[in-house]
This record gives sequence, structure tokens and C-alpha cells, in this order.
Amino acid sequence: AQSVTQLGSHVSVSEGALVLLRCNYSSSVPPYLFWYVQYPNQGLQLLLKYTSAATLVKGINGFEAEFKKSETSFHLTKPSAHMSDAAEYFCDGANSKLTFGKGITLSVRP
Amino acid sequence: DTGVSQDPRHKITKRGQNVTFRCDPISEHNRLYWYRQTLGQGPEFLTYFQNEAQLEKSRLLSDRFSAERPKGSFSTLEIQRTEQGDSAMYLCASSLQRGWVADTQYFGPGTRLTVL
Repeated sequence: AQSVTQLGSHVSVSEGALVLLRCNYSSSVPPYLFWYVQYPNQGLQLLLKYTSAATLVKGINGFEAEFKKSETSFHLTKPSAHMSDAAEYFCDGANSKLTFGKGITLSVRP
Repeated sequence: DTGVSQDPRHKITKRGQNVTFRCDPISEHNRLYWYRQTLGQGPEFLTYFQNEAQLEKSRLLSDRFSAERPKGSFSTLEIQRTEQGDSAMYLCASSLQRGWVADTQYFGPGTRLTVL
């Protein structure tokens, strides 16, 4: 069974700094991996997804994630954080139900 | 594509009352999911349907909870004899299952339930 692990529950960066949110997966088959975001008082929305078409996946709002099979990772990055990026981020791999876990809270300091 | 809609957006009820929520998925989506989210936590899976068939229910879904999707389109989630612990945001999502891989889940805005 596939499982996905988000590393760390809270990440704080300065505005303009690199954002790196870590996610590792374990699976014996090529996964389908997602990053979802939940902005304060808003619903969940898909940030990006990996479906084996390309290892570097670009999402909305300047985010991207790279699928690295050798590291079993799917870390989310953004070169320059903006205050509006403060949100909850969830990594998951799914064939059916999503099992979000607590997510990673991203705080952006001015 | 009108997105996933949920009704009502907010519900305040007294303990012991029954409540029913509705979810209208994206029209061509064959899968529909219900999740519950409490403050500071990620969404927890409750149940999901493929067309009208309920394929899986979480152990979180006690016998006071029931969900239906009678015609494979909209779904309802009913909570009987509500308790204060039921206070949460109830999220609905839909996706298109093709083969063995489900596509992206699209979420509705949620129904916030407050049990007094």
C-alpha cells in the first residue's frame, strides 16, 4: 500500500525566501502524487499533481514539485515566498480516498 | 463546469437534532467523497461513492451518520441526534475515475456545522 509522509508540521520563511515543503512516499508502483493547498477560511484546492508524464510538475501560484524516484520524494518548492502563500499544504498520493494528515503550515514573515 | 457545490454553507443546530447536508458534484464525475475537518486538522475521510454505490466508509462514520447518492449525481449526508463533537466543516469532493486511477478531487466550499 502506498503511503505518503509530510516532513514537519510547520515551516516559517521570510518573504522572498525559498519555500521548501517536504514529502516522501513509499510505493512499489509508480505513484500519483498531489499537493493540495488550503488558504485561510477557504476550501481545498489542487496545487499540482504528478501523473508520471513529467518529473518536474508546475502548479499554480509559482509552485512546482519534482518527482525523484531515487529519493522517493515529491518536495514542493517556490523560489520566492509571498505573504499570500501562508496556508496549509497537504501532500498525498491517491487512488481513491485522500488521507491528508495534519498538513504543513506555512508561515511567511514580512 | 460549475464546480462542486454544497448546501447549506453554515448550519447551527441544537444537540439531539438531525441535520442533512447536500453536495452537488461536477456533473461528469462518477466519484463523490465526504470528509470532515476540525480546526487545526487536515480533512478526515468519511466515505465515498462510485456512481450510486457506497464503496467505503470510515470507522469515523458512526451509526448516526448516513450518506446516500441515490441516482449517482448529488449526495446527502445526514447526521442523526447531533452531538457537540460533530461540530466541524463537512467537505465534499468529486473526481472522475478512469481505469484504476482516480483523477484529481475537486472540493466544494464545505458546510460548517455548529452543534450547540
